[in-house]
Amino acid sequence: DVQLVESGGGLVKPGGSLRLSCAASGFTFSSYNMHWVRQAPGKGLQWVSSISGSSSHIYYADSLTGRFTMSRDNTINALYLQMNSLRAEDTAVYYCARQYVNTLWDAFDIWGHGTMVTVSS
Amino acid sequence: DIQMTQSPSSLSASVGDRVTITCRASQSISTYLNWYQHKPGKAPKLLIYAASSLQSGVPSKFSGTGSGTEFTLTISGLQPEDFATYYCQQSYNTPQTFGQGTKVEIK
Repeated sequence: DVQLVESGGGLVKPGGSLRLSCAASGFTFSSYNMHWVRQAPGKGLQWVSSISGSSSHIYYADSLTGRFTMSRDNTINALYLQMNSLRAEDTAVYYCARQYVNTLWDAFDIWGHGTMVTVSS
Repeated sequence: DIQMTQSPSSLSASVGDRVTITCRASQSISTYLNWYQHKPGKAPKLLIYAASSLQSGVPSKFSGTGSGTEFTLTISGLQPEDFATYYCQQSYNTPQTFGQGTKVEIK
């Protein structure tokens, strides 16, 4: 089965760091762009960052101001999000998602169930 | 960034009803518009891609229309499992922004 499983969430103090992981299975991981999307409590979905299959292109939401770093390891089908200088407003469920792309359309066709990050003292 | 605006933010409907959700983009995005269903504690699910194409395995009661800046998602014959939050998303460029969501609740 095609599957994404996030891990690494938890409770962290403001200013702290956390590294999220996403394990992919059931598809050729290196062929796909991957994304992180988050949902703060009571809020909607917010795109966080993306990485191309070869890691040659990485993009971040402007609001992250260099605090987050996305990476991937295609040898073990893993995606990462290193989050530094965490703030209360980073509290959210973080989802990893696969981007399906063809010449006519693209969309996030596979999502994980998410991992909760709570930033609080 | 392209802003996506959904309306309404929430709606109440009965089982069997037909509901329509609107999504507007701040600039033309052709048909680079996707719709997702999200239930609490679950992974978001792709329903419609390219504005009007049904994702594999999604029932035909879901349909999408539109191009340019205005799009709609229609759900025919609401069932209990359809009560969820629905999001539009533009995939025209990065960042791939989402609408704020429309929560469909039971009346």
